Amino acid sequence: AQKITQTQPGMFVQEKEAVTLDCTYDTSDPSYGLFWYKQPSSGEMIFLIYQGSYDQQNATEGRYSLNFQKARKSANLVISASQLGDSAMYFCAMREHYNAGNNRKLIWGLGTSLGVNP
Amino acid sequence: DGGITQSPKYLFRKEGQNVTLSCEQNLNHDAMYWYRQDPGQGLRLIYYSQIVNDFQKGDIAEGYSVSREKKESFPLTVTSAQKNPTAFYLCASSISGSGGDEQFFGPGTRLTVL
Repeated sequence: AQKITQTQPGMFVQEKEAVTLDCTYDTSDPSYGLFWYKQPSSGEMIFLIYQGSYDQQNATEGRYSLNFQKARKSANLVISASQLGDSAMYFCAMREHYNAGNNRKLIWGLGTSLGVNP
Repeated sequence: DGGITQSPKYLFRKEGQNVTLSCEQNLNHDAMYWYRQDPGQGLRLIYYSQIVNDFQKGDIAEGYSVSREKKESFPLTVTSAQKNPTAFYLCASSISGSGGDEQFFGPGTRLTVL
């Protein structure tokens, strides 16, 4: 079963507008972490933002914020004031803290391709 | 500058040959990882290492081998046993592999089997 679902394969946004990238997850682990990464065409994965399952506040990092709705098991990424350089693939990932035991792997979604129009 | 380097950026291999992908980090991280990325898919874990001289198989370890003789280095060998090795390979590291620490990635190696 897919543990991380990103339902938007591709989308476009106008420069300077805000955009929300969807991510839903499935876990029975009481403790987990959620990550968002950006992958530009060069291929390198760039860490954007992290949300712990017990964090009371939604995570924010500059123009990036995470809309964490624990009961709905969703962790959507919000990018405010989009820039041309935001055009990239965006991946949501999860690490379970107990179910995985010593396995430190991240479970990845299939990604969303974001294009920013001038 | 601290970071992760991978070499080469592009690699071509003939069928039946083993090739080794390099991954070096100067971040003083304990944990290192190798991922494979195919078009239209997320990353899949090949191997990971939480400490020097120790490593574990990930989800798709068959046809791959690794070593971790130094903290800074985690080379990946793609053997001839790997049936479909053409892919983009990403190396990553994290401070300790514990719950909240993010993984930092290298620029990747694109392997093509001719």
